[in-house]
Amino acid sequence: DADVTQTPRNRITKTGKRIMLECSQTKGHDRMYWYRQDPGLGLRLIYYSFDVKDINKGEISDGYSVSRQAQAKFSLSLESAIPNQTALYFCATSEGRPNQPQHFGDGTRLSIL
Amino acid sequence: TQLLEQSPQFLSIQEGENLTVYCNSSSVFSSLQWYRQEPGEGPVLLVTVVTGGEVKKLKRLTFQFGDARKDSSLHITAAQPGDTGLYLCAGAGWSDYKLSFGAGTTVTVRA
Repeated sequence: DADVTQTPRNRITKTGKRIMLECSQTKGHDRMYWYRQDPGLGLRLIYYSFDVKDINKGEISDGYSVSRQAQAKFSLSLESAIPNQTALYFCATSEGRPNQPQHFGDGTRLSIL
Repeated sequence: TQLLEQSPQFLSIQEGENLTVYCNSSSVFSSLQWYRQEPGEGPVLLVTVVTGGEVKKLKRLTFQFGDARKDSSLHITAAQPGDTGLYLCAGAGWSDYKLSFGAGTTVTVRA
């Protein structure tokens, strides 16, 4: 089983719909992150959480919200989806020590029509 | 504006050739990480460089961290088709270790 699992893997929906992307991890890491990936722009941080009671905005948080339901679960919501939120979304986890890698899920491909 | 600039954006070479990917910034980082991403998967860490001037080798891959901790390079010797993928550099902050990613270099090695 994967250490970081994202669901769904693919989603097509319409403008204005509410969407939730889910992430669960079995690595026991305190830190979790949500990124979006667009061609030519790399990975941009949407939200991050350093423990269950900690939520922080990243560089592109407008139009998104998150919930850290447990150490192992971190979900990303789009309250009212718009077409420019069409992208590949990744969840990642890491330890809180210096120089540690981030461990990524396999991504959710989201298309908003 | 990207905090880390990667060049080139695309690179297509023949099997057996060498290649270098560059990652540059005006910011100083506590460490620099390189990831490789294949289609349908998330990025996977290749290496972390921590000390200015550090050179790390991973089989045919050589990673260098600049003396001023602002830039890095990835050199692949005798590239193979299995080296094909998207290579991402990421700089870590000093206090919270959050990563800032470059836009990536897509490498294609033709057999």
